[in-house]
Amino acid sequence: AQTVTQSQPEMSVQEAETVTLSCTYDTSESDYYLFWYKQPPSRQMILVIRQEAYKQQNATENRFSVNFQKAAKSFSLKISDSQLGDAAMYFCAFKPLLLYGGSQGNLIFGKGTKLSVKP
Amino acid sequence: GAVVSQHPSRVICKSGTSVKIECRSLDFQATTMFWYRQFPKQSLMLMATSNEGSKATYEQGVEKDKFLINHASLTLSTLTVTSAHPEDSSFYICSASFEGSSSRNTEAFFGQGTRLTVV
Repeated sequence: AQTVTQSQPEMSVQEAETVTLSCTYDTSESDYYLFWYKQPPSRQMILVIRQEAYKQQNATENRFSVNFQKAAKSFSLKISDSQLGDAAMYFCAFKPLLLYGGSQGNLIFGKGTKLSVKP
Repeated sequence: GAVVSQHPSRVICKSGTSVKIECRSLDFQATTMFWYRQFPKQSLMLMATSNEGSKATYEQGVEKDKFLINHASLTLSTLTVTSAHPEDSSFYICSASFEGSSSRNTEAFFGQGTRLTVV
């Protein structure tokens, strides 16, 4: 069974600084997707960034980037130039890739990391 | 990105009554929808996978007779909490996914969530 582990229940960063959120996962699959989702107080899940396992290049989206280490099964999120609006719960998620029909793979979430941003 | 609308956003019901939550994909056809439950300060736990035109697949420990799921069309899935009790009070979130032009899976799009309070 696949599992996702976020070892940091809470993190804090000063505004404009950089913070890295950790995520490790366990799977026997060779092809899959990895995601970081943000859940602000409104509780709407917002996709921050995604990574296809078959791509070696780390995904980036503006101030957000990942460090994807497939062999180590590690998928950390780096937030640069942190802003007050970045304060939220961040969930790392794993999704298996199904190529031959049947149900779409569901997301498997980590327990989340609560990020606080200090002004 | 694609839009998923979940309704209602909040509902309060009396113990013993039933509540229906709707999840609609507004600008795409969702072959698969997922229903999650989220307890305060915790992660999202998958309840069931809903496939259009077929019976939902429930996760272990989820009572299918209590949480009725119907996916009658490619744009609508409903979750009905039957004979609700206070312990059913929670935040329920749906997500929808579709298969893009290739055979590979795509990301999931989330509804806004429904906060259910049973009194």
